[in-house]
Amino acid sequence: EVQLVESGGGLVQPGGSLRLSCAASGFTFSSYWMSWVRQAPGKGLEWVANIKQDGSEKYYVDSVKGRFTISRDNAKNSLYLQMNSLRAEDTAVYYCARDLYYDFWSGYGYWGQGTLVTVSS
Amino acid sequence: EIVLTQSPGTLSLSPGERATLSCRASQSVSSSYLAWYQQKPGQAPRLLIYGASSRATGIPDRFSGSGSGTDFTLTISRLEPEDFAVYYCQQYGSSPLAFTFGGGTKVEIK
Repeated sequence: EVQLVESGGGLVQPGGSLRLSCAASGFTFSSYWMSWVRQAPGKGLEWVANIKQDGSEKYYVDSVKGRFTISRDNAKNSLYLQMNSLRAEDTAVYYCARDLYYDFWSGYGYWGQGTLVTVSS
Repeated sequence: EIVLTQSPGTLSLSPGERATLSCRASQSVSSSYLAWYQQKPGQAPRLLIYGASSRATGIPDRFSGSGSGTDFTLTISRLEPEDFAVYYCQQYGSSPLAFTFGGGTKVEIK
């Protein structure tokens, strides 16, 4: 069974940093693109970043470029999101997500339960 | 950057009725790269449709997707009580690379 479990969320002051983790199991982690998607309270979904199977390609939404860094450790079956210079507008539930299929984009077929990041003084 | 506009914002229907949800793109989208999700309160989204019209594993056949170019539709043929939720469309664009979501349509019980 595919499982994605996020951790690392919490309350942080504006300008602060936080590192989110996503522990993956039940599939060959190194075969899939992985993504982070966030949802501000009461708002819609927003793609944040994604990373290729071997970590050689990384892409970000414009609003987080230069502040957030996505990474992965295939040996540990783990995905990460390092978030620096956090702003109030980064407050959201952050989901780890996996493509449905490994060989072509087919939407996010698997999601974690999410971890809440609150940026506030 | 492609913008996805979903309409209506809210759809008020009764169980058993047909729901038709629209997703309009600001530029042409490859049908291969259009997906639909369902989200219930307090839950992660669930993938319903990928490639504009292919149902994901375990999705009932009352859900169907169609469309091409800039206009895509999610149809729920007969609403079941568990179908009342928020629905999002999403597209994958390669230039620049982005995975944009629409703003969502809430399907509520009338």
